[in-house]
Amino acid sequence: DAGITQSPRHKVTETGTPVTLRCHQTENHRYMYWYRQDPGHGLRLIHYSYGVKDTDKGEVSDGYSVSRSKTEDFLLTLESATSSQTSVYFCAISDGPTDTQYFGPGTRLTVL
Amino acid sequence: AQSVTQPDIHITVSEGASLELRCNYSYGATPYLFWYVQSPGQGLQLLLKYFSGDTLVQGIKGFEAEFKRSQSSFNLRKPSVHWSDAAEYFCAANGGATNKLIFGTGTLLAVQP
Repeated sequence: DAGITQSPRHKVTETGTPVTLRCHQTENHRYMYWYRQDPGHGLRLIHYSYGVKDTDKGEVSDGYSVSRSKTEDFLLTLESATSSQTSVYFCAISDGPTDTQYFGPGTRLTVL
Repeated sequence: AQSVTQPDIHITVSEGASLELRCNYSYGATPYLFWYVQSPGQGLQLLLKYFSGDTLVQGIKGFEAEFKRSQSSFNLRKPSVHWSDAAEYFCAANGGATNKLIFGTGTLLAVQP
């Protein structure tokens, strides 16, 4: 398995609070991704990074921001969490934009 | 728009029976194609992928998939299902101008004893 960890694994928070999720890799892959998984929608791309400090938006980026200051870490921030952001969040990594993506174990976020 | 369709939301098969999970894609050109499996509470694990070449692709856990350009399909198969195969299966495609991985909505497989 690819060396990908996510923290925290579970989080319950209240509407309006900021939340940061962390993805850490030990594979030195250039690309990192954040997805959310919701029933009936599969996985949808939130943001991705193609290098340190290089990021771009995905399909469902509203309400989310990301940062990547080191190759190994990719942070996802919800500036002011809403109940619609209750979801399971997955990080993924790959060598290139069309290469196989390897997924982390996920973070279950509940916004009350 | 680029899309991946998994027509079957839920499938139940008996242990030992054969399995076929359907996947269709809509892209301007042939994308790279993937099948992932997700066990409850787990992340996604790659089963197999198709980039080019032989249209019958072998994967892990005894799975295979066949790429059919004429039908824009990439169906996943297994000759004999085991109870441990119960999971959710996702088809995904990557290619075209966006170079982003697009997922189908998944097929949940239940295995009856």
